[in-house]
Amino acid sequence: DAGVTQSPTHLIKTRGQQVTLRCSPISGHKSVSWYQQVLGQGPQFIFQYYEKEERGRGNFPDRFSARQFPNYSSELNVNALLLGDSALYLCASSSGLAEIYEQYFGPGTRLTVT
Amino acid sequence: DAKTTQPNSMESNEEEPVHLPCNHSTISGTDYIHWYRQLPSQGPEYVIHGLTSNVNNRMASLAIAEDRKSSTLILHRATLRDAAVYYCILRSTGNQFYFGTGTSLTVIP
Repeated sequence: DAGVTQSPTHLIKTRGQQVTLRCSPISGHKSVSWYQQVLGQGPQFIFQYYEKEERGRGNFPDRFSARQFPNYSSELNVNALLLGDSALYLCASSSGLAEIYEQYFGPGTRLTVT
Repeated sequence: DAKTTQPNSMESNEEEPVHLPCNHSTISGTDYIHWYRQLPSQGPEYVIHGLTSNVNNRMASLAIAEDRKSSTLILHRATLRDAAVYYCILRSTGNQFYFGTGTSLTVIP
């Protein structure tokens, strides 16, 4: 079975540009979450979507947005990129929202902003 | 955010047991204790979770203190492939996963 997939693997952008990152969850999983991981730190929660609705939002500016599609795949958009947005962006999927469900993470997209 | 405290780093000899501690003194009755690990250049992976009773699976064991204010992840025989950052996370209904800085485990051959 395919795990969580993310694209692209690596990305280089310039300050002020916009970027879209994509995530395909494990088949049958209806929840997708996004995390930002800066070098040397643990992942920081950005968004969670379940059945195409936003169910949680972390402490990130409005430049960050996301959506989930009918096939449960998801996109994370970041506008007006800053140098500080350089990080590994992780997507995770799970069967549901309840606290008993484990999350399955993809390999991440490495974003570099110059 | 429910807070957990872990040592920054630990070392273990290969093929010996490893006990990774986590303090969560402000845990609430509905918080589940989750452990994830992150190998170098990979996304985190699920290890184990529990509520009150000790739990075992093929990867590890989770020992939860009677007052639930601390827990210990036990790797029964450390291998080089277990070298990773281990995160202890509290999660209750409606709450998201909040990772701390975790414990970086070094396994010595």
